[in-house]
This record gives sequence, C-alpha cells and structure tokens, in this order.
Amino acid sequence: NAGVTQTPKFRILKIGQSMTLQCAQDMNHNYMYWYRQDPGMGLKLIYYSVGAGITDKGEVPNGYNVSRSTTEDFPLRLELAAPSQTSVYFCASTPGGGNTEAFFGQGTRLTVV
Amino acid sequence: AQSVAQPEDQVNVAEGNPLTVKCTYSVSGNPYLFWYVQYPNRGLQFLLKYITGDNLVKGSYGFEAEFNKSQTSFHLKKPSALVSDSALYFCAVRGRITSGTYKYIFGTGTRLKVLA
Repeated sequence: NAGVTQTPKFRILKIGQSMTLQCAQDMNHNYMYWYRQDPGMGLKLIYYSVGAGITDKGEVPNGYNVSRSTTEDFPLRLELAAPSQTSVYFCASTPGGGNTEAFFGQGTRLTVV
Repeated sequence: AQSVAQPEDQVNVAEGNPLTVKCTYSVSGNPYLFWYVQYPNRGLQFLLKYITGDNLVKGSYGFEAEFNKSQTSFHLKKPSALVSDSALYFCAVRGRITSGTYKYIFGTGTRLKVLA
C-alpha cells in the first residue's frame, strides 16, 4: 500500500520557469491538500479538494494552480516560479469528515534561483 | 479565529527523562486535535489524535497526549525519552472551511532534541 506518493523529491527551478508537482494517493480518499512548509512557519494550506472536479483555495494560493480530474491525483502547478516559492511542499489526503488523521507524502523540496 | 500555538521552538531533554511538548489551540466547537512527527527529509507521520472520550490519549512509539479543555491545551508527553525521538513535532487542529468541509491547521513545530 503506497499511501500518498509525491514526485519529484527535489527540484531546482529558474525564475520564471514552470513545473508541476505530482501527487497521487491509492486510498480512495476524497479530501486532498497541498501544504507548503517554511522554516519556523509551520505548514500553510495552498489548495484543497473535497473530491474529483472540486478544488478551492487555501491560505496561500497565489502563484499556484491545481486540478483534480480523478480521485487519485491532485497535481500542483507553478506557472512562473519566484524565489518566494522556495519551500518544501507536502501533499496530504484524508477520507473526509475531519475526525481522521491526514496522510502525508514524503514532500518535494523546491528551490527557485 | 482558528489557530494552534506551539510556544517552544526547541525542547531539550536527557535520554530517559520524561518529555513534554506543549500545544494550545483556539477553535470554536469541539476540538479535533492531532500530533505529528517529522524526521529529517521525511513527510509528517501521525502520532495520535483526540476526538472525544478520555482526556489522555495514547499513540505510537510510547507517546501520549493530555487534552485539557479548560486550558485549551493538548500537550504531548512521553515518560522516558529516547535519542531516536529527536525530531520535529507538529500539533494540529481541525479547522472548519465551510459547513462540512475541513482543513488541518498546524502549529509552527517544536524541535525535540534528546541528549544521550
């Protein structure tokens, strides 16, 4: 049982480049989330989805986009990379309802130079 | 406002001694509370949760947490610390986005260092 899988693990981008962070879960969870982790700041919610075809903004959505065409996949798109997007990105999923824990991927460490 | 506070950036404890990592929360309604641990270059791993019931919750790796409603706290504890417990610990609370839609609100994390 793979759980939540994120790719790539590491990436260096130049300012203005674009990329997609991939996230897939095999637990048939309805809810999926993207967080970014900055030192001393905890985790901030970027986008979330409550099911296929449904996405919404979190606390820090600027500079990002998401899609949810299937239950399993929830990619995060950076269109014009900026140094402020240097961070560690985590994808998470839960069945829903909020009384269950979230399952996290291993993270993607992104550096924008 | 919905929030979680972890007042200590770092906690140092000697191996074999009891440890406490503090967490306080602010949320309307009944709180759903979680603790996660993060080892270097890894994702967050679930330790334990409080949803309802006993105020003392037991979790993975010998950790437990005490829910205190009057103090709005959910401190993580372990009776005897191990060097291998050294990691970054996050407290989280379920926050409501809309009716029936939830997110997890995280504290800023506490780095636990267990000294041999």
